[in-house]
Amino acid sequence: GENVEQHPSTLSVQEGDSAVIKCTYSDSASNYFPWYKQELGKRPQLIIDIRSNVGEKKDQRIAVTLNKTAKHFSLHITETQPEDSAVYFCAEGSGYALNFGKGTSLLVTP
Amino acid sequence: EAGVAQSPRYKIIEKRQSVAFWCNPISGHATLYWYQQILGQGPKLLIQFQNNGVVDDSQLPKDRFSAERLKGVDSTLKIQPAKLEDSAVYLCASSSLTLSFEQYFGPGTRLTVT
Repeated sequence: GENVEQHPSTLSVQEGDSAVIKCTYSDSASNYFPWYKQELGKRPQLIIDIRSNVGEKKDQRIAVTLNKTAKHFSLHITETQPEDSAVYFCAEGSGYALNFGKGTSLLVTP
Repeated sequence: EAGVAQSPRYKIIEKRQSVAFWCNPISGHATLYWYQQILGQGPKLLIQFQNNGVVDDSQLPKDRFSAERLKGVDSTLKIQPAKLEDSAVYLCASSSLTLSFEQYFGPGTRLTVT
């Protein structure tokens, strides 16, 4: 994750609130920005991704925004539910291997 | 479609011993990756294969780690000799770059070195 900084490392929200996780990257050649959700003891699973030719993408309660000029991208989860509790990883790449952030542990309390 | 398969799921060895992990990617996926995920961190790429050729192994500790994908399908990752700091989950992923950039991860092998 040395090419990707992710904040915050932990995030606690109440059910129904929104959660925002931010990442910054350094490689100007990066053109692919996925977000993975990893539950305890499970494999990382892709929840949403965005390519560099798009500024925003939404999928139901999840959205990702990308600012290529500033080299940062964010994950937005609205109307959070307890089952959203997990570790979320951002990543960046240029079509091949991914560089991952260190993860954000999200806790949604009822 | 069947997912990425890995075995074993868990392995406990003593330091200086050797260990091997196996991965079977999703059928038709030409690209295969091995990642190391230390507890509390994001996955870190160890090696990437395109068919049976190595694309990137710059972060593979080659004095003790080796990997191969002889027929362009299954892959094995070996550690010899293991060190305490090798304790981690080893994740295999595959992708079909002709269709999308998405990487599909296997369940991982949790290695504990004592």
